[in-house]
Amino acid sequence: NAGVTQTPKFRILKIGQSMTLQCTQDMNHNYMYWYRQDPGMGLKLIYYSVGAGITDKGEVPNGYNVSRSTTEDFPLRLELAAPSQTSVYFCASSPKRPGLAGTGELFFGEGSRLTVL
Amino acid sequence: ELKVEQNPLFLSMQEGKNYTIYCNYSTTSDRLYWYRQDPGKSLESLFVLLSNGAVKQEGRLMASLDTKARLSTLHITAAVHDLSATYFCAVDKEGSNYQLIWGAGTKLIIKP
Repeated sequence: NAGVTQTPKFRILKIGQSMTLQCTQDMNHNYMYWYRQDPGMGLKLIYYSVGAGITDKGEVPNGYNVSRSTTEDFPLRLELAAPSQTSVYFCASSPKRPGLAGTGELFFGEGSRLTVL
Repeated sequence: ELKVEQNPLFLSMQEGKNYTIYCNYSTTSDRLYWYRQDPGKSLESLFVLLSNGAVKQEGRLMASLDTKARLSTLHITAAVHDLSATYFCAVDKEGSNYQLIWGAGTKLIIKP
């Protein structure tokens, strides 16, 4: 059972370049999320999706875009990379949204470490 | 604005000792989550606490929630080296069922 799979694991970008972080889950979860984790900090939500075709902004969406064409895939696009986007990015999914009856726990991918120079 | 504060942020302890990590949050929430992260790895769910007074235990870890005090604790009993990791708590952002607000994490090092 693969769970949540992220690619690439590591990437170095030059300022102004663009790239897409891929995320795929095979658990048929409706809810998917992109977080960034900066050193010594908790996770910050970038974007989330409650199902195919539906996405919305989280706490720190500037400089990013997402799409959700299928239940399985939730790619994160970085346009015009900046040094402030150097971070570790985590994709997560959940069968239920946090706050509903049931656990709402998140299942995370292995992370993608991005450096912008 | 909902804030989640963990303390301590760093803890070095000897095997066999007991210790508690604290998670305070600033506004009402009925749901609190604890996750573990090993160095360079992903996050793994440990506990989900869904109501006031909830207590959950797994091995040497026990988590509790006091919603009136806006406080959760993660207690470690007779620590072993394998528990070395960073522990995060996260709280539902009231009014938004999609956003968890995360603490900064407690880095725990357990020395043999």
